[in-house]
Amino acid sequence: GQQVMQIPQYQHVQEGEDFTTYCNSSTTLSNIQWYKQRPGGHPVFLIQLVKSGEVKKQKRLTFQFGEAKKNSSLHITATQTTDVGTYFCLFGNEKLTFGTGTRLTIIP
Amino acid sequence: DTEVTQTPKHLVMGMTNKKSLKCEQHMGHRAMYWYKQKAKKPPELMFVYSYEKLSINESVPSRFSPECPNSSLLNLHLHALQPEDSALYLCASSRDFYNEQFFGPGTRLTVL
Repeated sequence: GQQVMQIPQYQHVQEGEDFTTYCNSSTTLSNIQWYKQRPGGHPVFLIQLVKSGEVKKQKRLTFQFGEAKKNSSLHITATQTTDVGTYFCLFGNEKLTFGTGTRLTIIP
Repeated sequence: DTEVTQTPKHLVMGMTNKKSLKCEQHMGHRAMYWYKQKAKKPPELMFVYSYEKLSINESVPSRFSPECPNSSLLNLHLHALQPEDSALYLCASSRDFYNEQFFGPGTRLTVL
């Protein structure tokens, strides 16, 4: 079955440092979505990527979809305390599978 | 209205009880989902309804029974649950399957 590896599991950074999380699939994907879940909250949609090699930006967040459509990354520039939470990728194929998540904590 | 509502927020039940979780959206979305999330784990897909028909059942035990009375409502009926079923149950909706999902705040379920 489809496996969704997301790394790292945890990331602890100083405020102002950059942060990156990666998702890798064993199979080719039709699309990938990214979600953020704050502590005690529910997942909130960030972006959807569909095209091979696609890059999208939202302010300090940059999302990439690999050329082979088997991997994706989320990069945050100059983290702020409001970025705290767990970031999940969601693979869209005939099934929907969340990555294991990367928990971001920030030292003010 | 871009909100998905879920009731109740918290539920404590015994293993012999029958209870229901409710989810509602008024965004005209045609896909609705139930997820189960354990602490520090990703949400796990349980069921998907598309155009009010059950389209995905991820081999969920029969003690969980979903129902979609209309395009705005989604229920999850619970019966004879086990303590390991204690978790956060999230409902979500999207315009169609594979589109951006809007999640409700969840129901925190504890089975004693």
